[in-house]
Amino acid sequence: SQELEQSPQSLIVQEGKNLTINCTSSKTLYGLYWYKQKYGEGLIFLMMLQKGGEEKSHEKITAKLDEKKQQSSLHITASQPSHAGIYLCGADIGSGSARQLTFGSGTQLTVLP
Amino acid sequence: DVKVTQSSRYLVKRTGEKVFLECVQDMDHENMFWYRQDPGLGLRLIYFSYDVKMKEKGDIPEGYSVSREKKERFSLILESASTNQTSMYLCASSKTSGRAGFGPGTRLTVL
Repeated sequence: SQELEQSPQSLIVQEGKNLTINCTSSKTLYGLYWYKQKYGEGLIFLMMLQKGGEEKSHEKITAKLDEKKQQSSLHITASQPSHAGIYLCGADIGSGSARQLTFGSGTQLTVLP
Repeated sequence: DVKVTQSSRYLVKRTGEKVFLECVQDMDHENMFWYRQDPGLGLRLIYFSYDVKMKEKGDIPEGYSVSREKKERFSLILESASTNQTSMYLCASSKTSGRAGFGPGTRLTVL
């Protein structure tokens, strides 16, 4: 079962437009991670959020974790073709001693030049 | 930076063959993970390990097994490959908490 719900599943935007990707959990998130993946390659770490209300930015990408720590959003300002790829949110779930890192279904972003 | 390597980028096998996918990390990480990635389904966790010889089932362990004899190496085994196991397989490693580093992936095709 998918513990993390991502939306939208795919997104096509014109270069220069802003966009937002959402990641929602039914449980409290104690660590939320955003990754980006180019087609056919491994995942590249973008940002990690841990505290409710936390917001981090890197270049034109901003990620937020809401106060209740059950939803995160990734916002891209003035999108560029280099932003295209699959964006995945990941989180730690489970209560055992082993760390169980699970991911959402991903958002496929296409940026049209 | 975390360096995670996977034994093959592309692999083609026949139905019924035994398949080994190897993953090696160089950061002395306790945790290692195997995922498969399919269009529209994101990354699904197959197995994970938090220590040598320790393993836990993820969301979709059926048809797979794993081995972790050394801390830096985590192997995924398909005992008898089937066509529905054609997929991209990704390995990751991490400390007890914090970011995970990923390998480049192995694209497995089972004919």
